Amino acid sequence: DVKVTQSSRYLVKRTGEKVFLECVQDMDHENMFWYRQDPGLGLRLIYFSYDVKMKEKGDIPEGYSVSREKKERFSLILESASTNQTSMYLCASSFPGQLSSGNTIYFGEGSWLTVV
Amino acid sequence: AQKVTQAQTEISVVEKEDVTLDCVYETRDTTYYLFWYKQPPSGELVFLIRRNSFDEQNEISGRYSWNFQKSTSSFNFTITASQVVDSAVYFCALSEARYGNKLVFGAGTILRVKS
Repeated sequence: DVKVTQSSRYLVKRTGEKVFLECVQDMDHENMFWYRQDPGLGLRLIYFSYDVKMKEKGDIPEGYSVSREKKERFSLILESASTNQTSMYLCASSFPGQLSSGNTIYFGEGSWLTVV
Repeated sequence: AQKVTQAQTEISVVEKEDVTLDCVYETRDTTYYLFWYKQPPSGELVFLIRRNSFDEQNEISGRYSWNFQKSTSSFNFTITASQVVDSAVYFCALSEARYGNKLVFGAGTILRVKS
């Protein structure tokens, strides 16, 4: 079974803290993604990575950075957390290329982050 | 620009009722993929269906069915004889072939099925 594991399900952090959200996948996928989910806005892409040490900005990268030192691990970093980053964060992974029948994106269970 | 609209924010039905979740999309590509995902309270996104732009056949899977109409840019999802376990947030999503495997999601529809 494909597994995308997000290490922390629930976090509470203070404004200004540096926050790390970790994601590990076990399918040898080249592509990994971080999405943010907010009510009424659906999921929005923050960053994605198509290979180790490679990254590209998504639709809402401001206030975030990422790190991909190993193929199976993709970290989302909030350099200085703010209250407007309180949200649910979803990690995903897939093989490269189009999402045709042979290629599916798999999602983790999500990390609920509250910044106070 | 690619965009997905799910106009229904929340729907409440009584068990055994049929319910249709609407999805309208915008794209300039001729090759694209449409998806439906289910998100139960646990949070994980569960893949339900994928449809490519060249296949307009409707699909039925048990109590679930999907109606894809390119003429109206819609990809609607119907649950027949709904059950309490169907309560979840449902997302429609679009992936354009030229953007590889980036997904653009709609805002989601919260479905509440009451017993």
